Amino acid sequence: NAGVTQTPKFQVLKTGQSMTLQCAQDMNHEYMSWYRQDPGMGLRLIHYSVGAGITDQGEVPNGYNVSRSTTEDFPLRLLSAAPSQTSVYFCASRRGGTGVGREQYFGPGTRLTVT
Amino acid sequence: AQSVTQPDIHITVSEGASLELRCNYSYGATPYLFWYVQSPGQGLQLLLKYFSGDTLVQGIKGFEAEFKRSQSSFNLRKPSVHWSDAAEYFCAVGASAGNNRKLIWGLGTSLAVNP
Repeated sequence: NAGVTQTPKFQVLKTGQSMTLQCAQDMNHEYMSWYRQDPGMGLRLIHYSVGAGITDQGEVPNGYNVSRSTTEDFPLRLLSAAPSQTSVYFCASRRGGTGVGREQYFGPGTRLTVT
Repeated sequence: AQSVTQPDIHITVSEGASLELRCNYSYGATPYLFWYVQSPGQGLQLLLKYFSGDTLVQGIKGFEAEFKRSQSSFNLRKPSVHWSDAAEYFCAVGASAGNNRKLIWGLGTSLAVNP
């Protein structure tokens, strides 16, 4: 199993550009999520999904969109990039749609810089 | 309000010394408790978790943690630290009941290991 994969690993955007961060998992996990990690702020949940066709907002959803058309893929779209979105983005997945008792598996991250 | 506190932002220990990383939480229900490790430039990996039962939990890489309900703590320990343990460590708490799909994350403790 490849686990959770993310592309790209690094990206530089100009303010106002849009892009999609890709996330895929091959473990047939129902739950997938996106976090951003910023110095001194830990991990903050952006969006999550408990199954194909179901998404919901996390703590910091503004400026981001998600969709979940398949179990495997959970892309994160930046609609109009802003410097405040400079961060490291992690995708994670786990078994089970509801509840938090299961181990989360994290991708290697995407380091995004918005200039 | 639910919260997780990791009081130590940064810790430095010598290789071979013992280690204790602190985690305190504020949560009304019986919690699920987790410790994750993030090596430089990598995603997070689960070290161990506690749901119920024996309050001393063994994890991977020689780590253990003890749940103390009276102190609302879940401290991570290792008897002898290796240079490869240098990483960021995150404590996380989740609800053991209900439909809460989100974990609450601490801000992390950065561990440096002196040779």
